[in-house]
Amino acid sequence: AQTVTQSQPEMSVQEAETVTLSCTYDTSENNYYLFWYKQPPSRQMILVIRQEAYKQQNATENRFSVNFQKAAKSFSLKISDSQLGDTAMYFCAFMKLGGGGATNKLIFGTGTLLAVQP
Amino acid sequence: GAVVSQHPSWVICKSGTSVKIECRSLDFQATTMFWYRQFPKQSLMLMATSNEGSKATYEQGVEKDKFLINHASLTLSTLTVTSAHPEDSSFYICSAREGSGVFGEQFFGPGTRLTVL
Repeated sequence: AQTVTQSQPEMSVQEAETVTLSCTYDTSENNYYLFWYKQPPSRQMILVIRQEAYKQQNATENRFSVNFQKAAKSFSLKISDSQLGDTAMYFCAFMKLGGGGATNKLIFGTGTLLAVQP
Repeated sequence: GAVVSQHPSWVICKSGTSVKIECRSLDFQATTMFWYRQFPKQSLMLMATSNEGSKATYEQGVEKDKFLINHASLTLSTLTVTSAHPEDSSFYICSAREGSGVFGEQFFGPGTRLTVL
């Protein structure tokens, strides 16, 4: 079974600074996707960034980028120029591909609560 | 972007009653919808996967007779918590996947807070 581990329950960063959130996962699969989701106080889940395992290039989405180390099974999220609106719970998630496209499901880590300080 | 709604956003009910939560994809067709449960300060736990026109697939440990899921159309799935008890109080979130290929992004609803007295 796949597992996702986020070892940082809480983190804090000053506005405009850079912060990195850690995520490791365990799987024997070769084809999968990895995600970072943001859950602000409103509780609405928002997709931040996605990485396909077959791609060596790290995904980037504006101020958000990942460091994907497939061999180490590590998938960290870097937030540059942190903004107050980045304050949220961040979840790392894994999704295995194959075995029927209609049943692929997300496995979430325990989350990291990020507080951006003014 | 794709929008998923949930209704109601919150509900309070008495122990022993049943509660129905609706999940709708507003601007796309969702062949697959997912139901999650989230306790305070915890992660999302998948309860079941719902495919349009067929029976839901429940995760291990989830009582299918207690959490009834119906996915009658490509835009609507419902979760009914039957004979609710205080331990069922939680935040319930649905997501809907666009498309039926190998990968379709999941879009999440805003969640429903259930409180059972």
